[in-house]
Amino acid sequence: SQELEQSPQSLIVQEGKNLTINCTSSKTLYGLYWYKQKYGEGLIFLMMLQKGGEEKSHEKITAKLDEKKQQSSLHITASQPSHAGIYLCGADRTPTYKYIFGTGTRLKVLA
Amino acid sequence: NAGVTQTPKFQVLKTGQSMTLQCAQDMNHEYMSWYRQDPGMGLRLIHYSVGAGITDQGEVPNGYNVSRSTTEDFPLRLLSAAPSQTSVYFCASSRGGRDGYTFGSGTRLTVV
Repeated sequence: SQELEQSPQSLIVQEGKNLTINCTSSKTLYGLYWYKQKYGEGLIFLMMLQKGGEEKSHEKITAKLDEKKQQSSLHITASQPSHAGIYLCGADRTPTYKYIFGTGTRLKVLA
Repeated sequence: NAGVTQTPKFQVLKTGQSMTLQCAQDMNHEYMSWYRQDPGMGLRLIHYSVGAGITDQGEVPNGYNVSRSTTEDFPLRLLSAAPSQTSVYFCASSRGGRDGYTFGSGTRLTVV
């Protein structure tokens, strides 16, 4: 199994609906990063969370970090077709400097 | 700035052939990594580097070699291609800290 597990694996929502994607780590989190990938393209960095309880927003996307649970959630409010793509969480495995990714969540937004 | 440049974008190899995937960045980033992306598997780390002359293995290093002779370049070598290496390969770089990684546009490799 991978160190970073995401759920759900895929999601189909109607435009305007809210949704949440979760990322759970099997090891201590030193930094949790969220990325978005449009189909067939490279990843785009969205935001980084480092401290427990930290919350950040990028346009209509909000991410939170629960350090105790070693988990982060990404919430999209009032989803739009432009939000469609694959969302991946990444983690910095200090002190090895390995930077690994989760399994990804494929999001489709129906207009 | 060009960011992270990967070449080629597409490649078909025969089993047993060798090749090098090129990756170059112009942002003076110290950290560089190679990933492969397969359906349902997310991105898996192949090799990474924390600076010129320093490389280390990631999660799936077998069958691949890397070197980092300059800060800018981080080529990935497939020694003897196998069908299991059919994948999309991404190179990425970062200056570290709270900055995320900047990704290249990927190389789609098919081994027949």
